[in-house]
Amino acid sequence: QVQLQESGPGLVKPSQTLSLTCTVSGGSISSGSYYWSWIRQPAGKGLEWIGRIYSSGSTNYNPSLKSRVTISVHTSKKQFSLKLTSVTAADTAVYYCARGTTGIENFDYWGQGTLVTVSS
Amino acid sequence: QSALTQPPSVSGSPGQSVTISCTGTSSDVGVYNRVSWYQQPPGTAPKLMIYEVSNRPSGVPDRFSGSKSGNTASLTISGLHTEDEADYYCSSYTSSSTLVFGTGTKVTVL
Repeated sequence: QVQLQESGPGLVKPSQTLSLTCTVSGGSISSGSYYWSWIRQPAGKGLEWIGRIYSSGSTNYNPSLKSRVTISVHTSKKQFSLKLTSVTAADTAVYYCARGTTGIENFDYWGQGTLVTVSS
Repeated sequence: QSALTQPPSVSGSPGQSVTISCTGTSSDVGVYNRVSWYQQPPGTAPKLMIYEVSNRPSGVPDRFSGSKSGNTASLTISGLHTEDEADYYCSSYTSSSTLVFGTGTKVTVL
């Protein structure tokens, strides 16, 4: 059974960088059949796709966030990470990591989510 | 990229059927069959209910079904159960090699 777990600071100051890590267990992070995504959800609002990374390191990002986002993968640690720079209160949200299936483009496994609050 | 458009809410009595629409464009829903649906009860992570427009993952009840016509995909719950009360989101692959979610629909079981 594949499991994903987000970790990182729950509080980030405005203008600083938000950094989160997702640890994958119960399955391979290196399979070309899957990719690894970050998705966020502000309180009371809908889901927003942030971006994805394949085990090869290839990435795609949401155009609205592309200038501030970097997703990286660390296959030996079975982890992938999110960095979001120059954060504002609008970046306050629950952040989820999820596994996507190449060519089908669905998310079959999700982490439980972690709340990140941007505040001074 | 703009979010796919869903109705804010739908409701029905137990046993009734409800349908949720998901309207995109000719750059996403209209051109790819890579449409998925997710169920999200309050305070929980989303759960995959439908993929590739109409396929159900193992364990998802067959009262959940999906379809697509043109730029609009639909999720139908046939025979509502009280436990189906949740938020539902569609998603689609796009011609920019990105993913986009719908605005979300709250399903209320009366």
